[in-house]
Amino acid sequence: AQSVTQLDSQVPVFEEAPVELRCNYSSSVSVYLFWYVQYPNQGLQLLLKYLSGSTLVKGINGFEAEFNKSQTSFHLRKPSVHISDTAEYFCAVRSSNTGKLIFGQGTTLQVKP
Amino acid sequence: DSGVTQTPKHLITATGQRVTLRCSPRSGDLSVYWYQQSLDQGLQFLIQYYNGEERAKGNILERFSAQQFPDLHSELNLSSLELGDSALYFCASGLRRDNEQFFGPGTRLTVL
Repeated sequence: AQSVTQLDSQVPVFEEAPVELRCNYSSSVSVYLFWYVQYPNQGLQLLLKYLSGSTLVKGINGFEAEFNKSQTSFHLRKPSVHISDTAEYFCAVRSSNTGKLIFGQGTTLQVKP
Repeated sequence: DSGVTQTPKHLITATGQRVTLRCSPRSGDLSVYWYQQSLDQGLQFLIQYYNGEERAKGNILERFSAQQFPDLHSELNLSSLELGDSALYFCASGLRRDNEQFFGPGTRLTVL
């Protein structure tokens, strides 16, 4: 069975500092990995995705993630965060059979001025 | 704006009642997925439809049902509602099952 673990429930960081949100997955088959962001009172927006190819994936809003097969991780990073990055971030793995997404519990990124 | 619309935005009802949530996928998308987001369970997959046919089921209660119509819009029916059904219900759509999913803004259901 596939599963996703987000290792931090909350990450506080100061504005313009770098940040890393950690995600580990469990899967016995080929993986397709995603990071979504949810701003308050809004739906989920795709930040980036890994389907195949280069293990370093660049997404929107300056975010990037690195797929590490040996460590079964897909950590999200941004070199300099803004107040507007304050949101909930979800890591997800897509089921290879059905296409459904299996989400982690989410990480709240709190950017302080 | 993802192109996926959901109505209503908010729904307040009482225990034991039945409600219908509606989703219109992006133009051209054939797959519709329903997810439930609650504080205790997080984001959980409920059910998937592809071009009118049910393709996958997740942790969906027997009191819940869904369908996808010929015009590809989908409805999620929740009956005999309980307090624990209070949650945010998201619909997502994609062209095929292996394509990126685009999420709607959600319907917030409150059961009193």
